[in-house]
Amino acid sequence: EPEVTQTPSHQVTQMGQEVILRCVPISNHLYFYWYRQILGQKVEFLVSFYNNEISEKSEIFDDQFSVERPDGSNFTLKIRSTKLEDSAMYFCASSTTEADTQYFGPGTRLTVL
Amino acid sequence: AQSVSQHNHHVILSEAASLELGCNYSYGGTVNLFWYVQYPGQHLQLLLKYFSGDPLVKGIKGFEAEFIKSKFSFNLRKPSVQWSDTAEYFCAVNAASNDYKLSFGAGTTVTVRA
Repeated sequence: EPEVTQTPSHQVTQMGQEVILRCVPISNHLYFYWYRQILGQKVEFLVSFYNNEISEKSEIFDDQFSVERPDGSNFTLKIRSTKLEDSAMYFCASSTTEADTQYFGPGTRLTVL
Repeated sequence: AQSVSQHNHHVILSEAASLELGCNYSYGGTVNLFWYVQYPGQHLQLLLKYFSGDPLVKGIKGFEAEFIKSKFSFNLRKPSVQWSDTAEYFCAVNAASNDYKLSFGAGTTVTVRA
């Protein structure tokens, strides 16, 4: 059964550094998403991406964040200058349509020191 | 404000006990409803979903959920839990009124004692 994959599983970085989190969505899916879960808190929507552009973003997704689909398979989340409060689990998801079931990857645990 | 509420933060029960986890949402109009499970050390997996039709939906591993539109609820049930059901359970909703952004409840940790 096809799965969403994410790399790395754990990323440790210094405050102010740039990080890129990578995701490979399910191959026939057209909608891609990033969510985050700060320890002990809810899973929060960050951004959705369709047809090579952002379709929705939350207030969390400020100018420090960007997403890209650099090729036909990868979907990346870049945090330009990480802050301590960016420490969280970041989940990628994909779906066939915007209303359909979203399938989640295993997550990347980002630790900002 | 539009939201998803899960009533229980942590539920502890013994094997063979019945489980019911509450979920309420506050979105109007057309909604799609989901329950996801996260086993220890694993990623979010879909347990079941409701889009339309029979409001009683059956999912994997013996779970079911009932959509009660008048109560804005989508409670998850399992008649007899196993130790392997120990996990965190998330209710999630997407709605046309919210551009189908998936909104999660806070999650319920279920611990099943052998």
